[in-house]
Amino acid sequence: EAAVTQSPRNKVTVTGGNVTLSCRQTNSHNYMYWYRQDTGHGLRLIHYSYGAGNLQIGDVPDGYKATRTTQEDFFLLLELASPSQTSLYFCASRTGFSGNTLYFGEGSRLIVV
Amino acid sequence: GDSVTQMQGQVTLSEDDFLFINCTYSTTWYPTLFWYVQYPGEGPQLLLKVTTANNKGISRGFEATYDKGTTSFHLQKASVQESDSAVYYCVLGTNSAGNKLTFGIGTRVLVRP
Repeated sequence: EAAVTQSPRNKVTVTGGNVTLSCRQTNSHNYMYWYRQDTGHGLRLIHYSYGAGNLQIGDVPDGYKATRTTQEDFFLLLELASPSQTSLYFCASRTGFSGNTLYFGEGSRLIVV
Repeated sequence: GDSVTQMQGQVTLSEDDFLFINCTYSTTWYPTLFWYVQYPGEGPQLLLKVTTANNKGISRGFEATYDKGTTSFHLQKASVQESDSAVYYCVLGTNSAGNKLTFGIGTRVLVRP
């Protein structure tokens, strides 16, 4: 069974704070993705990676950094969090072929006050 | 770039009603079309995949079909149950740079007993 694990599941931080969201996949997948989910916008791609040390910019990257330290681990970094980054964040993984299934984690809810 | 338009924000049905959700897409690449479902408190998961080769997918009583002429694909179920209450996303996959998936905004389906 494919597995994607995110932590923390819930986080509250203050404006200007520093937040790291973690994602680990045990699927041996090449591709990993970070999405944010907001009402009226669906899922929007922030950053993605096709292997350790690789980083690609998604569709809504402003205010976010990411790092892929190993094939299993992908981190999303908010160095100066703002209220507009309050959202539900999902990590996902899959193999590189476009027809293959995307496997999601359970999500990390971030509130910036 | 690739795009997906999913118009219905929320649909409220009664048990045994017919469900129909339509999406249109735009791409210059060879498309693979997906429907993902998200239950409360969970990440999205694959419901169906439709390729331009088979034009149709069936799973868990849901059927997805694709029309190349109108670049549309839709999801239907003949008789919904309360357990089908969820958010449904139409998703476009292509072999464009990064093998990204493009999500629609989602349709929230509420089935009343």
